[in-house]
Amino acid sequence: AQSVAQPEDQVNVAEGNPLTVKCTYSVSGNPYLFWYVQYPNRGLQFLLKYITGDNLVKGSYGFEAEFNKSQTSFHLKKPSALVSDSALYFCAVRDGGNNDMRFGAGTRLTVKP
Amino acid sequence: GAGVSQTPSNKVTEKGKYVELRCDPISGHTALYWYRQSLGQGPEFLIYFQGTGAADDSGLPNDRFFAVRPEGSVSTLKIQRTERGDSAVYLCASSLTRGTDTQYFGPGTRLTVL
Repeated sequence: AQSVAQPEDQVNVAEGNPLTVKCTYSVSGNPYLFWYVQYPNRGLQFLLKYITGDNLVKGSYGFEAEFNKSQTSFHLKKPSALVSDSALYFCAVRDGGNNDMRFGAGTRLTVKP
Repeated sequence: GAGVSQTPSNKVTEKGKYVELRCDPISGHTALYWYRQSLGQGPEFLIYFQGTGAADDSGLPNDRFFAVRPEGSVSTLKIQRTERGDSAVYLCASSLTRGTDTQYFGPGTRLTVL
């Protein structure tokens, strides 16, 4: 079965600095990888996904993620963080043919002014 | 356009009672998913519908949980004989089809079982 690990519960960065939120995955087939963001008392919002093709995926709000097959990673990045980026971030994976999407436990990003 | 909506936003019930949670997906989306999110954790898959049929219910924790989607749009998650451990946020998502399509999530229903 597929699984996702987000090794950091919390990431703190200063506004204007680059940010990285880490994600590693495990699947037996082809990985479909996703990043979602959750603001307080709101549902999950889609940021970006990797299905196939270019390893560097660009998404909403200036976020991007790089698929690394050899390291089984899909880290989320942004060149310059904003205070408004502070939220809970979830990485998720589907094993190509499966129906269910497995989520990581989430990483809380705090961007300080 | 309208996103996924869920009602109620909050539900408080007593142990042993029956509850229904409703999900209204994005118009035209054939795939619908239910997830459960406990405090401090990521969403956990419960069930997937393709059209009217439950294509995969492998995530339902036990037979107290049941879901329907009779006309292929609105879905209802039903929980019988609720237990305190059922307290969580129940999330619904929909996608255009299955496969690689992005799942779009509703705001969730926070269920509290006293």
